[in-house]
Amino acid sequence: GEDVEQSLFLSVREGDSSVINCTYTDSSSTYLYWYKQEPGAGLQLLTYIFSNMDMKQDQRLTVLLNKKDKHLSLRIADTQTGDSAIYFCADPGAGYSTLTFGKGTMLLVSP
Amino acid sequence: DAGVTQSPTHLIKTRGQQVTLRCSPISGHKSVSWYQQVLGQGPQFIFQYYEKEERGRGNFPDRFSARQFPNYSSELNVNALLLGDSALYLCASSGVLSYEQYFGPGTRLTVT
Repeated sequence: GEDVEQSLFLSVREGDSSVINCTYTDSSSTYLYWYKQEPGAGLQLLTYIFSNMDMKQDQRLTVLLNKKDKHLSLRIADTQTGDSAIYFCADPGAGYSTLTFGKGTMLLVSP
Repeated sequence: DAGVTQSPTHLIKTRGQQVTLRCSPISGHKSVSWYQQVLGQGPQFIFQYYEKEERGRGNFPDRFSARQFPNYSSELNVNALLLGDSALYLCASSGVLSYEQYFGPGTRLTVT
């Protein structure tokens, strides 16, 4: 089955860039997603990238996709304390609706 | 527009009891999915329903069941609760752009 791996923790200073990495195993993935979860809350869809794209930019967020290496990254420019949260990479495989999530990367932004 | 809503917010049950969790999708969305998130882990897929039919089922025991109603709201039922069922249960809905799944705030279930 599909597997999604993420590093568990990242600490940055306010104003720096953050890069969160993810690897996945399913080569038939249609889209790949990034979700954000704040403490005690549900998941917020941050952005997604279609599998035939290499890069997608959305304001402070940049998603890079390397299909050959099955590697996905999320770069947050000018990281703010409000960006502190857990970030999940999710892979639906060949379909759209059954998401396989990584364990999440906890991003801690210090002033 | 209202997002995905779930009820109740929190729930405490005893081992062996049964529980029903409810979800209302975003208006116009016909697909609802359920996920279980154990503390410290990513969400795990339980069920997906589209137009009141089950379209997918994750690796969960038969104690877990769900249904979708004509208004596209959904219920998740868990029978014979175990301590290991303690988790955040998340509901997600998707619409015409089926690749966009939006999650509700979740129901925190504690089994004692």
